[in-house]
Amino acid sequence: GIQVEQSPPDLILQEGANSTLRCNFSDSVNNLQWFHQNPWGQLINLFYIPSGTKQNGRLSATTVATERYSLLYISSSQTTDSGVYFCAVYQGGSEKLVFGKGTKLTVNP
Amino acid sequence: GAVVSQHPSRVICKSGTSVKIECRSLDFQATTMFWYRQFPKQSLMLMATSNEGSKATYEQGVEKDKFLINHASLTLSTLTVTSAHPEDSSFYICSASRPRLAIGNEQFFGPGTRLTVL
Repeated sequence: GIQVEQSPPDLILQEGANSTLRCNFSDSVNNLQWFHQNPWGQLINLFYIPSGTKQNGRLSATTVATERYSLLYISSSQTTDSGVYFCAVYQGGSEKLVFGKGTKLTVNP
Repeated sequence: GAVVSQHPSRVICKSGTSVKIECRSLDFQATTMFWYRQFPKQSLMLMATSNEGSKATYEQGVEKDKFLINHASLTLSTLTVTSAHPEDSSFYICSASRPRLAIGNEQFFGPGTRLTVL
């Protein structure tokens, strides 16, 4: 099956810093989602981005489907950005999501 | 929009008892819901796909007699962990699939249920 790899696995930042999280996938995909899992376990939808670039406040995402990767940018990070960021892809006609292992982000004050 | 609730948020039970977890899509109809399990510091593992009015499809290695899934309506799916044992202790998360016109489906997740079996 398709492999989804995220990097880096862990990231520690000072408040106010910028960061880029990467998601590589091993095969073509129909769609891709980015999630933030907060410390209480809730997954929050950040982006639904099969291709192109989207922005939402301090967060933006770019997916280059032909090169099989997606990037999540976090600017001016805040302590509330801490948590685990997951990339997940839909492949073929399946409704199933295949998750990466996540990037654990810690933002220190 | 696209809110998914899950109940209970936390449950502690004795070994041998059964536990039911409810997943509801509050503001949309979901023909497909999914159940995941997450171990500490790991990613989500899909357990089963639940379609309204039909039998659930279980992933390889998931015991269908241990984890009973019922999708009785377009807004409700339930997961029952039968004869729970300590190794069933985990964080269980459901999601509901909402169609996006001409693009596909997008999954929205419940807040999760932390099950502890003593």
